[in-house]
Amino acid sequence: AQKVTQAQTEISVVEKEDVTLDCVYETRDTTYYLFWYKQPPSGELVFLIRRNSFDEQNEISGRYSWNFQKSTSSFNFTITASQVVDSAVYFCALSEFQGAQKLVFGQGTRLTINP
Amino acid sequence: ETGVTQTPRHLVMGMTNKKSLKCEQHLGHNAMYWYKQSAKKPLELMFVYSLEERVENNSVPSRFSPECPNSSHLFLHLHTLQPEDSALYLCASSQDAGGSDEAFFGQGTRLTVV
Repeated sequence: AQKVTQAQTEISVVEKEDVTLDCVYETRDTTYYLFWYKQPPSGELVFLIRRNSFDEQNEISGRYSWNFQKSTSSFNFTITASQVVDSAVYFCALSEFQGAQKLVFGQGTRLTINP
Repeated sequence: ETGVTQTPRHLVMGMTNKKSLKCEQHLGHNAMYWYKQSAKKPLELMFVYSLEERVENNSVPSRFSPECPNSSHLFLHLHTLQPEDSALYLCASSQDAGGSDEAFFGQGTRLTVV
C-alpha cells in the first residue's frame, strides 16, 4: 500500500527565514510520481511541482526548491527567504505511474510565516 | 472564470436531507475527481471519472452518489448523511486520468451535517 508521511504538523517561522518541509513516502511500485500542493486559506489546492521516480535531480523555482532522494524515500521542500504570502497548508502526494490517477496525500504541514 | 468551480461553497444539511454538490471545469480536461478533506484525516480520493466513465470508486458509502453527465460537469449527490461526513469536499480535474497529470482543484464545498 502507498503511504505519505509529513511528520511536521505545524511550522511557524519569522519572515525571511528558510524553512524545509519534510515528506517521506512508502510504495512498492518502482515507478511513481510525487507532487507538492499548496492550500491557501481560500481552500483550493494549488499545484507546485511533479517529479517522476526516474528523475532524482533537484529542482529550483525561484525561492522554492525540492530535494528528491529515492534512497531515503524522501521528497523535501524548501522555501528560501520565506514571505508572509507563503503561509498555507502544504501537501505532499504520491501517485501510481500508470492507470487512473489516485493521489495519496500526506497529512499536510501548516506553515505560518510571521512578519 | 476560474478553472474549476464548485457550488455551493458552504452547505448545512440534516441527516434526512438530500442535496447535491456541483463541480464545473472550464479547462477542457477529460478526467474529474472528488476528494474528501476531514479535519483529522489526510485528503481521501472518493471517485475518479475519465471521459464520463467512473474508473475508480474508493470504497465510498452508497450515501454518496456521483454523477458525471459530461466531461465538464461532476455532481455528488448526498442522502442520509452522518455527522462524520462533515468535511470539505474538493473537486479536481486533469487533462487525462493518468498518474502523471497535474490536478487542478476547486475551492471546495464545506459541508456540515447536523
